[in-house]
Amino acid sequence: SQKIEQNSEALNIQEGKTATLTCNYTNYSPAYLQWYRQDPGRGPVFLLLIRENEKEKRKERLKVTFDTTLKQSLFHITASQPADSATYLCALRPNDYKLSFGAGTTVTVRA
Amino acid sequence: GAVVSQHPSWVICKSGTSVKIECRSLDFQATTMFWYRQFPKQSLMLMATSNEGSKATYEQGVEKDKFLINHASLTLSTLTVTSAHPEDSSFYICSASLGGGRQNTGELFFGEGSRLTVL
Repeated sequence: SQKIEQNSEALNIQEGKTATLTCNYTNYSPAYLQWYRQDPGRGPVFLLLIRENEKEKRKERLKVTFDTTLKQSLFHITASQPADSATYLCALRPNDYKLSFGAGTTVTVRA
Repeated sequence: GAVVSQHPSWVICKSGTSVKIECRSLDFQATTMFWYRQFPKQSLMLMATSNEGSKATYEQGVEKDKFLINHASLTLSTLTVTSAHPEDSSFYICSASLGGGRQNTGELFFGEGSRLTVL
């Protein structure tokens, strides 16, 4: 069966450090992978998309990598700030138009 | 980015009543909208795909008579939870992508979500 697994439910880091989140998938062959941010009681907000032929994508302090051989994406938040505290979801679209989400990793950045 | 508005943001109702949740695309037309359900600390689960002018497509295990979806215009989709019961209590979120569901990249724009509590 198809699965999307995000490595840990929660990640606590010190302000200024880099947070690294992992998204692994099985039985998918996605053309691209997306990352979203979700704050408590709110809908997710789109952050980044990376295509299968891209190894790395950056947006401000965010960096995403995509390894289709390992079937894995890494999401990095560099120079983390307390305002980065949220749940981060990876999502991918397999063969149809439906987007499937991982359960998310909740990041808490301590001041 | 595109804005999706969802209303109400929270609702409390008695068991057996019906609740309607609205999802509007404010600055773009959405031929396709998606309805998700999310339990605490769990992933978003797709319930159904709402298509403007036609019947919604429901995911396996989702009762179409329980969760009525209407997409009467290019900017409005509604989800009605009929005869709600406590187990229907959840966070319901709608989303849309620009130009419909089959986009090149398909990033979704989400509403703020609606917290339903059934007593």
